[in-house]
Amino acid sequence: GNSVTQMEGPVTLSEEAFLTINCTYTATGYPSLFWYVQYPGEGLQLLLKATKADDKGSNKGFEATYRKETTSFHLEKGSVQVSDSAVYFCALSTAGGYQKVTFGTGTKLQVIP
Amino acid sequence: GAGVSQSPRYKVAKRGQDVALRCDPISGHVSLFWYQQALGQGPEFLTYFQNEAQLDKSGLPSDRFFAERPEGSVSTLKIQRTQQEDSAVYLCASSLGTSGSTDTQYFGPGTRLTVL
Repeated sequence: GNSVTQMEGPVTLSEEAFLTINCTYTATGYPSLFWYVQYPGEGLQLLLKATKADDKGSNKGFEATYRKETTSFHLEKGSVQVSDSAVYFCALSTAGGYQKVTFGTGTKLQVIP
Repeated sequence: GAGVSQSPRYKVAKRGQDVALRCDPISGHVSLFWYQQALGQGPEFLTYFQNEAQLDKSGLPSDRFFAERPEGSVSTLKIQRTQQEDSAVYLCASSLGTSGSTDTQYFGPGTRLTVL
């Protein structure tokens, strides 16, 4: 079956620090990969995605590269801000006509001024 | 424009009660998903609708869980004889089409169910 493993949090960083949140996956077939973010008090929203190997998804300064050889999709940002404080979920879906998403357990990021 | 809305936002039920959770997807969205998110965990897939057809209910944890979308828009997730282990946030998401690789799912704020 499909599964996603991401680093446990919470992760606490100072503003302008470099962020990496590790994510690896196991999937049957060729998955699409996603990072979702949940800001405090808000609903889950798509941050970025990649649908094939070596694709780089990017949004709001965040990036993640689909690495098929290492089955990874690590999230990075060069300089975090206090407003990036949220819970980040790595996720995947496999082909089949609709997007049945498997999520990781989430990593809470706290950025302090 | 309006996003996905869910009601109620919070629900407290006594063990053994039946509950109904409502989801209003974005207008025109064909696909609708329900997820269950336990505390400290990621969302887990429950069921999927394409218009009014329930094409996948493989994630429903027991026959106490039932979902419907009779007119292809609003959906209701019903839980009969609630148990404490049903306590979770129930998320609804909708997407415009049915493509697994290109569609974006838009999530509602969730309904937090607490079973006492």
